[in-house]
Amino acid sequence: AIQMTQSPSSLSVSVGDRVTITCRASRDIKNDLGWYQQKPGKAPRLLIFAASRLQTGVPSRFSGSGSGTDFTLIINGLQPEDFATYYCLQDYFYPLSFGGGTKVEIK
Amino acid sequence: QVQLVESGGGLVQSGRSLRLSCAVSGFTLSSYGMHWVRQAPGKGLEWVGSISFDGNKKNYGDSVKGRLTISRDSSRLYLEMNSLRAEDTAVYYCARDLSLATEWPGYWGQGTLVSVSS
Repeated sequence: AIQMTQSPSSLSVSVGDRVTITCRASRDIKNDLGWYQQKPGKAPRLLIFAASRLQTGVPSRFSGSGSGTDFTLIINGLQPEDFATYYCLQDYFYPLSFGGGTKVEIK
Repeated sequence: QVQLVESGGGLVQSGRSLRLSCAVSGFTLSSYGMHWVRQAPGKGLEWVGSISFDGNKKNYGDSVKGRLTISRDSSRLYLEMNSLRAEDTAVYYCARDLSLATEWPGYWGQGTLVSVSS
């Protein structure tokens, strides 16, 4: 099974900061990588799929990049509603696999 | 409007069985692939399994293979859970593929909690 290693596991940031989260796959997954946001007690929300395609309705401050084994989620100008936990998901090999998550907290 | 509503969760003893349902509306179930994803209390997301749009392909996570079975009828997705263990305690989400051409879990239900007591 593909292992997805996400880092950091948590970070403390301020409103307006630029946030970078990385995800590394144990094998080449082409560009089959998605990013999800989850708030406490809520279902995950798809932000980005196919590594860099923004899901409809997601603010443009979110962006994704990468291919192969290394991927990045960037939030430019963090907003109060962005404090949440973020997960990557590889969709190239079965079984699908999530990263361990990155909790973005208020500094 | 796409809606998914899970049900069937609850407290169950270890070794017993449980069937979760996911009622869908706003789209035709036979046109989309569907997923089950779970989240243990305080933990991250774990992909459980999926069924293809035509029902011909089913895939499962390694930790549940052989114990959990995904099926569906015209309007509901199911997750049959057998030989339940304490580590199966989690919120279970059903999710629909984002579109006909992609397999990303794009639309999610609110989840149903399964608690397995030893």
